[in-house]
Amino acid sequence: GQQVMQIPQYQHVQEGEDFTTYCNSSTTLSNIQWYKQRPGGHPVFLIQLVKSGEVKKQKRLTFQFGEAKKNSSLHITATQTTDVGTYFCACRRNDYKLSFGAGTTVTVRA
Amino acid sequence: KAGVTQTPRYLIKTRGQQVTLSCSPISGHRSVSWYQQTPGQGLQFLFEYFSETQRNKGNFPGRFSGRQFSNSRSEMNVSTLELGDSALYLCASSLGQQVGEQFFGPGTRLTVL
Repeated sequence: GQQVMQIPQYQHVQEGEDFTTYCNSSTTLSNIQWYKQRPGGHPVFLIQLVKSGEVKKQKRLTFQFGEAKKNSSLHITATQTTDVGTYFCACRRNDYKLSFGAGTTVTVRA
Repeated sequence: KAGVTQTPRYLIKTRGQQVTLSCSPISGHRSVSWYQQTPGQGLQFLFEYFSETQRNKGNFPGRFSGRQFSNSRSEMNVSTLELGDSALYLCASSLGQQVGEQFFGPGTRLTVL
């Protein structure tokens, strides 16, 4: 079956620094979505990537879909305390099955 | 527009019992998916319903079942509860089938004693 690996599992960041989380699928994807879950909350949709090599930006967040449509990255610049939470990638296969990565849990030190 | 609602929010059951969880999607959304979230396993896909039909199923035993009603509301049932079923059960709705942004509800926290 499809395997989705998300790294790193934990990211401890100094406020103001940048970091990147990566999502890798064992199979080619139809699309990939990213979600953020704050502590005690539920996942909230951030973005969907569909095209090979696609890059989308949301303020300090940059999302990229790999050329082979098997991997993606989320890069956050100038990390703020509001960025705390767990970031999940959700990989949609061509047969529409959806698998979530284990998530990258981000903590920020001021 | 009201968000996804789930009831109950918290539930305590004992081993061997069965439980039914309910999810009301956002008005107009026809697709409902269920997930199990645990600290060790992350978000695990249970099943997806669209127009009262199960369209996709994750790798869970037959003790986990679900259904969707004509008004798109969905229920999931877990029979013969085990300790390992303790988890946060999340429901998500989306406009269409198997595509697009999913809107998650607050979840039902199930504890099995």
